[in-house]
Amino acid sequence: AQSVTQPDIHITVSEGASLELRCNYSYGATPYLFWYVQSPGQGLQLLLKYFSGDTLVQGIKGFEAEFKRSQSSFNLRKPSVHWSDAAEYFCAVGARRRSGGSNYKLTFGKGTLLTVNP
Amino acid sequence: DTGVSQDPRHKITKRGQNVTFRCDPISEHNRLYWYRQTLGQGPEFLTYFQNEAQLEKSRLLSDRFSAERPKGSFSTLEIQRTEQGDSAMYLCASSGDWGETQYFGPGTRLLVL
Repeated sequence: AQSVTQPDIHITVSEGASLELRCNYSYGATPYLFWYVQSPGQGLQLLLKYFSGDTLVQGIKGFEAEFKRSQSSFNLRKPSVHWSDAAEYFCAVGARRRSGGSNYKLTFGKGTLLTVNP
Repeated sequence: DTGVSQDPRHKITKRGQNVTFRCDPISEHNRLYWYRQTLGQGPEFLTYFQNEAQLEKSRLLSDRFSAERPKGSFSTLEIQRTEQGDSAMYLCASSGDWGETQYFGPGTRLLVL
């Protein structure tokens, strides 16, 4: 069974500083990987995803993530954080079906809450 | 594309009552998913539909929970005889047939008193 670990429950950064949120996954093959963001009381918005190919993926709002197979990691980065980035961030892994490429179930980490200081 | 919508956004009920939530997926999406998110946790998979067929159910989905998608469009999630432990955010998502990317609705927050 797949699993996701987000080691940092809460991170505080200053506006304009760089950001890296950690994500480690457990899965027997190459997974589908996702980062979602959730603002208070809201649903999840997709930031970016990795399926295959280039291990550095670009997403919305200036975010990027790098898939490192050897470390089973998919860390999220942003070079300069804005106050509006304050939210909770979830890493998720999706399984590849034996019958062919699609996943039907996402397994999420517990999330990292990002606070941005002015 | 209006996105995934859910109704109601908030529901307060007394223990023992039945509640029903509705999810309208993105119109061209054939797959629909339900997740539950409790405080301080990430979403947990409950069930999913391919068109009107319910193809997978999590062990989290006890006998008090039932989900339907009668015409392959909107879906309902009903909880019978609610318990305080059912208090959570219930999230709906949809995707195309290949299921690569799930798009989430705003959720229904349930509070059982």
